[in-house]
Amino acid sequence: GAGVSQSPRYKVAKRGQDVALRCDPISGHVSLFWYQQALGQGPEFLTYFQNEAQLDKSGLPSDRFFAERPEGSVSTLKIQRTQQEDSAVYLCASSADPETQYFGPGTRLLVL
Amino acid sequence: GESVGLHLPTLSVQEGDNSIINCAYSNSASDYFIWYKQESGKGPQFIIDIRSNMDKRQGQRVTVLLNKTVKHLSLQIAATQPGDSAVYFCAERYDYKLSFGAGTTVTVRA
Repeated sequence: GAGVSQSPRYKVAKRGQDVALRCDPISGHVSLFWYQQALGQGPEFLTYFQNEAQLDKSGLPSDRFFAERPEGSVSTLKIQRTQQEDSAVYLCASSADPETQYFGPGTRLLVL
Repeated sequence: GESVGLHLPTLSVQEGDNSIINCAYSNSASDYFIWYKQESGKGPQFIIDIRSNMDKRQGQRVTVLLNKTVKHLSLQIAATQPGDSAVYFCAERYDYKLSFGAGTTVTVRA
């Protein structure tokens, strides 16, 4: 079956621009996670949804970062007024149970 | 090639040899552990998992060992193949959050 998909795969933004990153989880998966992966590092937790409820946003780096999942399926991670330090790979993962998280291919964001 | 006990950021392995990748985790309350493989330009791919009430689990060509006493996790890959070249991450789960260790880049020599 289809895995987690993310779009766009690559995004180049000028400093100060707003960006929106989309995640389509595996159909039926209740839980959805966003992670940020800096070059050469492991993924770092950003936020967690169970259905449409955002249960944890403790990993979001600043109030410029905002995530939503209004209908409990597709999720969008929005970054306002992008900064160079926001350049990273943004990964989405979904899971049907409390354990195994399946990752999408990521969106590579470069802020110039 | 092996790196028993010690986490190394890189591991070079001869094709056909067995590999051992080590990982130290930090939270003694973590109840679930996963190994992921990440190839260049792709997201992490699930390899194998283990719960904290187990000390060994085997999959196809892979074995995960868990030593809770010293908070150590290892991944053994049998008969390493060129397609095994990637970055390998261990992750520990506490509650619903995954925390990832420092990755190990595995390079398979022909």
